[in-house]
Amino acid sequence: GENVEQHPSTLSVQEGDSAVIKCTYSDSASNYFPWYKQELGKRPQLIIDIRSNVGEKKDQRIAVTLNKTAKHFSLHITETQPEDSAVYFCAASIATGNQFYFGTGTSLTVIP
Amino acid sequence: GAVVSQHPSRVICKSGTSVKIECRSLDFQATTMFWYRQFPKQSLMLMATSNEGSKATYEQGVEKDKFLINHASLTLSTLTVTSAHPEDSSFYICSARDPAPDTQYFGPGTRLTVL
Repeated sequence: GENVEQHPSTLSVQEGDSAVIKCTYSDSASNYFPWYKQELGKRPQLIIDIRSNVGEKKDQRIAVTLNKTAKHFSLHITETQPEDSAVYFCAASIATGNQFYFGTGTSLTVIP
Repeated sequence: GAVVSQHPSRVICKSGTSVKIECRSLDFQATTMFWYRQFPKQSLMLMATSNEGSKATYEQGVEKDKFLINHASLTLSTLTVTSAHPEDSSFYICSARDPAPDTQYFGPGTRLTVL
């Protein structure tokens, strides 16, 4: 089955700086890669996703890049704010409606 | 966006009892629902895929007789933790597939504590 690895496990940045989280996957059939933000005790919230037919997608301060050849994708958050502090999970799937295989999570702390 | 609910949100039970968790899609028909388990400060682990009207597909290492899944209608899937033990204490989250558009929505989760 699919194996998704995520780094780093924890990340602290100063407010206003950028944060980058990286994931790798093992199954070349995967072609949908969502990113979720989860606050303590709450459900994961989709923040951005990318499909294999594009290499980059941006939504305001958040961007995701995908390298299918190397089987890795990354989340970039610019101009970080304290409210960005949360745990972020990457995931891989063969389709948006299929089961997701999650990375191990990154606990992001934005220091005011 | 679409709404997925879970009930109960929190449950505390004694060891040896069974606990049923419901996952409902409130404004769409979900042919497929997924059940995940999350330990504190850890990732979401896929437990099983639940298809309406058929048997669930369990991930490797998940005991199907321990975690009973039923998907009797297009809006409801249930997870029953049978003969619960303290090691079953966890956060259980479901997600439901909305076929149009083809995306998933997560429920709010159920925190199970087995004493």
